[in-house]
Amino acid sequence: QKEVEQDPGPLSVPEGAIVSLNCTYSNSAFQYFMWYRQYSRKGPELLMYTYSSGNKEDGRFTAQVDKSSKYISLFIRDSQPSDSATYLCAMNSWGKLQFGAGTQVVVTP
Amino acid sequence: EAQVTQNPRYLITVTGKKLTVTCSQNMNHEYMSWYRQDPGLGLRQIYYSMNVEVTDKGDVPEGYKVSRKEKRNFPLILESPSPNQTSLYFCASSRAGASSYEQYFGPGTRLTVT
Repeated sequence: QKEVEQDPGPLSVPEGAIVSLNCTYSNSAFQYFMWYRQYSRKGPELLMYTYSSGNKEDGRFTAQVDKSSKYISLFIRDSQPSDSATYLCAMNSWGKLQFGAGTQVVVTP
Repeated sequence: EAQVTQNPRYLITVTGKKLTVTCSQNMNHEYMSWYRQDPGLGLRQIYYSMNVEVTDKGDVPEGYKVSRKEKRNFPLILESPSPNQTSLYFCASSRAGASSYEQYFGPGTRLTVT
């Protein structure tokens, strides 16, 4: 069983909709919880990170972590076609990183 | 410009022919890592290095070697490549320790082993 599970999608939404992404994990030792965005033919780039349970907002993006349920989420409000990308959740434990499989998101105009 | 560079970007080789993929960063980062990305499997960590002369295995180290003799460079070596190592490879760097959450990725190297 993988330590990090993420639905690969694709997830297709109309412009302006809320995109909801999530991951589950099994390792209680994970310390940081991250979301990376990867455009086609590019390397991933960090979108948001959280350290503790709770919510963190950055503009149209909200990251949630529930350590008791081992569940993390990313919400994208007012989605734009430029948000079309693959979103990867990631978690680390003292240098060793685990990524989810990535969810492909397509925002249609 | 702060960046991670990888070379080559594309490589087609044959089974058993040793190859090296170079990785260099100009951000003075202590931490560097190699990943492979395969459809449906996401990014999997091959090796990582917390500092010069310190390397550790990730989840899929078999068939790969690394060395970290200088802070800025972290080459990935395939001594005897096999077709199951055909993949997209990414090098990344970050600040040390717990701050390794913010990885800066290179542009990727697409390797095909026939």
